[in-house]
Amino acid sequence: GPKVLQIPSHQIIDMGQMVTLNCDPVSNHLYFYWYKQILGQQMEFLVNFYNGKVMEKSKLFKDQFSVERPDGSYFTLKIQPTALEDSAVYFCASSFRNSDYTFGSGTRLLVI
Amino acid sequence: AQSVTQPDARVTVSEGASLQLRCKYSYSATPYLFWYVQYPRQGLQLLLKYYSGDPVVQGVNSFEAEFSKSNSSFHLQKASVHWSDSAVYFCALSMNYNQGKLIFGQGTKLSIKP
Repeated sequence: GPKVLQIPSHQIIDMGQMVTLNCDPVSNHLYFYWYKQILGQQMEFLVNFYNGKVMEKSKLFKDQFSVERPDGSYFTLKIQPTALEDSAVYFCASSFRNSDYTFGSGTRLLVI
Repeated sequence: AQSVTQPDARVTVSEGASLQLRCKYSYSATPYLFWYVQYPRQGLQLLLKYYSGDPVVQGVNSFEAEFSKSNSSFHLQKASVHWSDSAVYFCALSMNYNQGKLIFGQGTKLSIKP
């Protein structure tokens, strides 16, 4: 079936640096999401995005986080600056309308 | 506040045995409920979902789940497990039929004994 691609699959970055996580959603999907999963824990909602705007964000979505999808290209999550507690697996998801989310395989981010 | 609880962090069953993974939710209105499976180093895959109607929903790979409003539960079941069912299973809730964030439980890691 259709897939959500996440690039890169792994990223190691120095604390304080900027990182951009890329998500290539399913082509006809309209809603985009980022979730954060710390090792061994549940997946937690960060943000959802529709029609060029953030629709809802959680308290985990700190001021250092931003999302965008310029010109229908990748849906990106940018963290600037990064902190040690940002180490986690970040999952992108997309959906068309009916809550049938398609999840990517995740980007494993390690901040050192 | 809305929440999902999976009381069993780990479950081990023998291959061929039946399975039940428990899920309880807290939400005052009609929930939309999901079960997802996560294999190592992969994203979540949808097993089944409940929106309305028949409280017993069928999913992929012979999984089914039963919604109980009185018990605020949505337990996942399978009559006979296979070794390939070893994975982490997440129950999730959405408050919006068309769109909205998913609230996940803590997950249950299922191990299958040969």
